[in-house]
Amino acid sequence: AQSVAQPEDQVNVAEGNPLTVKCTYSVSGNPYLFWYVQYPNRGLQFLLKYITGDNLVKGSYGFEAEFNKSQTSFHLKKPSALVSDSALYFCAVRDIGGGSYIPTFGRGTSLIVHP
Amino acid sequence: EPEVTQTPSHQVTQMGQEVILRCVPISNHLYFYWYRQILGQKVEFLVSFYNNEISEKSEIFDDQFSVERPDGSNFTLKIRSTKLEDSAMYFCASSETGAGANEQFFGPGTRLTVL
Repeated sequence: AQSVAQPEDQVNVAEGNPLTVKCTYSVSGNPYLFWYVQYPNRGLQFLLKYITGDNLVKGSYGFEAEFNKSQTSFHLKKPSALVSDSALYFCAVRDIGGGSYIPTFGRGTSLIVHP
Repeated sequence: EPEVTQTPSHQVTQMGQEVILRCVPISNHLYFYWYRQILGQKVEFLVSFYNNEISEKSEIFDDQFSVERPDGSNFTLKIRSTKLEDSAMYFCASSETGAGANEQFFGPGTRLTVL
């Protein structure tokens, strides 16, 4: 079985400060991990993914995420937040050995960047 | 940049009525998906579709639901007899292949309200 948790419903950060949006996962094998962002009145947009290789993954809009197998985490980070980063962020996981090609999504974390 | 589109953006219906939600996936994509998100809850997988047949479905996707690709561009989700608990945001998505490492491209969603 595969599952993902986003422990924070909301993250507040000041513009220019670093941001972190947390995600932990549970799989029986190895994971594929994804981050998506949803702006108001828009669909989910792909940000980045971890498949294999380097644990630090870089994605769109200056975001990056670090895969940590021992902590089963895949936190999303950005060194300097922008007001325009304010949106809903979803983490998703797929268990490579799980028999399904469908990812499981988290509940989402609302990121609010204050000017 | 190609996008997934969905119509209508908001659908209000009476309990027991049939609704059809429409999606136009990205043209060269081969796999199509429906997800739903009840307000404040997780994004939940409903069904995936490939080569004119369902490839995976969740336990949510019961006999009240059906999907169809009536022509070369549209992908529809039908709910035969809506219930109050069907009220949610419904997202359509598509991907180039069904491999679990590929990201999905989401539409903006249809908000279904069942009265």
